[in-house]
Amino acid sequence: GGIITQTPKFLIGQEGQKLTLKCQQNFNHDTMYWYRQDSGKGLRLIYYSITENDLQKGDLSEGYDASREKKSSFSLTVTSAQKNEMAVFLCASSPWGDEQYFGPGTRLTVL
Amino acid sequence: GQQVKQSSPSLTVQEGGISILNCDYENDMFDYFAWYKKYPDNSPTLLISVRSNVDKREDGRLTVFLNKSGKHFSLHITASQPEDTAVYLCAAGARRGGNNKLTFGQGTVLSVIP
Repeated sequence: GGIITQTPKFLIGQEGQKLTLKCQQNFNHDTMYWYRQDSGKGLRLIYYSITENDLQKGDLSEGYDASREKKSSFSLTVTSAQKNEMAVFLCASSPWGDEQYFGPGTRLTVL
Repeated sequence: GQQVKQSSPSLTVQEGGISILNCDYENDMFDYFAWYKKYPDNSPTLLISVRSNVDKREDGRLTVFLNKSGKHFSLHITASQPEDTAVYLCAAGARRGGNNKLTFGQGTVLSVIP
């Protein structure tokens, strides 16, 4: 078995601030993903990465950067936080062509 | 536009009844179809998935039906129980194209009432 950890669990930021979310997995999965979860909109893909140092844009990449520093870690940066923004960011990993395993999420609130 | 759509945001079913959750998709290249379940304040977990070479897959109380010509797939849960109450997310992907990403629907909130 394995586990995905996301830090921090709760993130409170100020408008215009640059904020970084981190994700680690010990499954040894090749592919990692960042999703944004908003009420009534399901999961929307922000970025994904099929191997170390690879980056692929999802449907919602504008306003975000990502970095796959090594196989086990994938970080997401909100480049400029929007006032009153509230969302849950989910990290996931998967072996090729198979089930995605999700982390517990980071809950973002922007004041 | 929304490539994967769940047209019903919510569904209420009596305990013991059949829950039918529906999902429509637009991309002809999709060849992998999945249903994920999400409890409040928890992360989604995979329930069941099918490849496009079959039109039905059963696993216990769960059955996925795939209608490729209609670009539609559904999840049937028989003998629904209160613990089935959760958000159900459908997802589709194009594995043949060398793509390892999934596109998710908006989710359907299933409530099973005793």
